[in-house]
Amino acid sequence: AQSVTQLDSQVPVFEEAPVELRCNYSSSVSVYLFWYVQYPNQGLQLLLKYLSGSTLVKGINGFEAEFNKSQTSFHLRKPSVHISDTAEYFCAVTTLQGNLIFGKGTKLSVKP
Amino acid sequence: DGGITQSPKYLFRKEGQNVTLSCEQNLNHDAMYWYRQDPGQGLRLIYYSQIVNDFQKGDIAEGYSVSREKKESFPLTVTSAQKNPTAFYLCASSMPGRNSPLHFGNGTRLTVT
Repeated sequence: AQSVTQLDSQVPVFEEAPVELRCNYSSSVSVYLFWYVQYPNQGLQLLLKYLSGSTLVKGINGFEAEFNKSQTSFHLRKPSVHISDTAEYFCAVTTLQGNLIFGKGTKLSVKP
Repeated sequence: DGGITQSPKYLFRKEGQNVTLSCEQNLNHDAMYWYRQDPGQGLRLIYYSQIVNDFQKGDIAEGYSVSREKKESFPLTVTSAQKNPTAFYLCASSMPGRNSPLHFGNGTRLTVT
């Protein structure tokens, strides 16, 4: 069975500082991994995805993530955050049936 | 512009009443999904449909029902049997295949008192 663990429920950071949001997964089949962002009272927007190939994946808004098979991780990073990055971030893995299983989310709070 | 429309944005009901949440997509996607979101719980899958006239239960289907009579539409009914219906409900759609990302609507916040 597949599962996703987001290790931090909240991450406070100052503007222009780097940030890493951690995600670990477990899967018995080949993995497809995703990061989504959710702003208050809105749906989820795709940030980036790992399907195959290069383990470093670049997404929108300057975010990137690295797939690490040996550590079963897919951490999200941004070298310099902005106030507008304040949101909740979800890591997800595809099941055998093609659905997504989501982590419980990490709330990123960027302070001036 | 293509996308997913969920209506209404906010919905209030009295306990014991059934309520139907609307989800329409014009992305020509075959698959559609309903997720429930509660604070600190992430998203949990209620029902999904890979094709018209067919759907499967997700992890928390009890107290919910769906239909898929048209490719574009996947309404969700929250029945009176659902013990804790107050939540944020998200509809999504995707192309077939495990590597296809989900596209989400903006959600419906249901409050039952």
